[in-house]
Amino acid sequence: GENVEQHPSTLSVQEGDSAVIKCTYSDSASNYFPWYKQELGKRPQLIIDIRSNVGEKKDQRIAVTLNKTAKHFSLHITETQPEDSAVYFCAAVNNDMRFGAGTRLTVKP
Amino acid sequence: GAGVSQTPSNKVTEKGKYVELRCDPISGHTALYWYRQSLGQGPEFLIYFQGTGAADDSGLPNDRFFAVRPEGSVSTLKIQRTERGDSAVYLCASSLGKGETQYFGPGTRLLVL
Repeated sequence: GENVEQHPSTLSVQEGDSAVIKCTYSDSASNYFPWYKQELGKRPQLIIDIRSNVGEKKDQRIAVTLNKTAKHFSLHITETQPEDSAVYFCAAVNNDMRFGAGTRLTVKP
Repeated sequence: GAGVSQTPSNKVTEKGKYVELRCDPISGHTALYWYRQSLGQGPEFLIYFQGTGAADDSGLPNDRFFAVRPEGSVSTLKIQRTERGDSAVYLCASSLGKGETQYFGPGTRLLVL
């Protein structure tokens, strides 16, 4: 089955800096890659996603890149703000969705 | 319409008891998923329904776990003979169909004493 690895497990940045989170997946049949943000005690919320026929997608301060050949994808957050602080999960979807272990992002004001 | 809802929001039970957790998906979503999330971990896939049938139950940890979706809408996750290790947040998600964006419910926090 699918195996998703996510790095780093924790990330601390200064407000205004960029943050990058990287994931790799094992199943070449996976074709959909969502990213979720989860605040403490709350449900995961979709922030951006990308499908396997696209290499990059941007939404304001958030972008995701996908390298199908290398089987890795990354989340980029620019101009980080304290409210970006949360746990971020990548996921890979073929028949079902498998999550990475999460990255705890802390943005220091 | 409304988002995914789950009840109860919290459930405390004793070891060995039976529990049922309910998920009400977004109206019109044919796919429904159950996940389990332990503290500091990502959601762990349990089971996926397409309509009324369980399309993939490979994530259920053992035969104490069972889920149903008799009318293709509401789903119930059933755990028999609960163990302390079953303590976790149980998340439900729904999507328009297979491979579509999944939207999560608020979860049920289960504590087995």
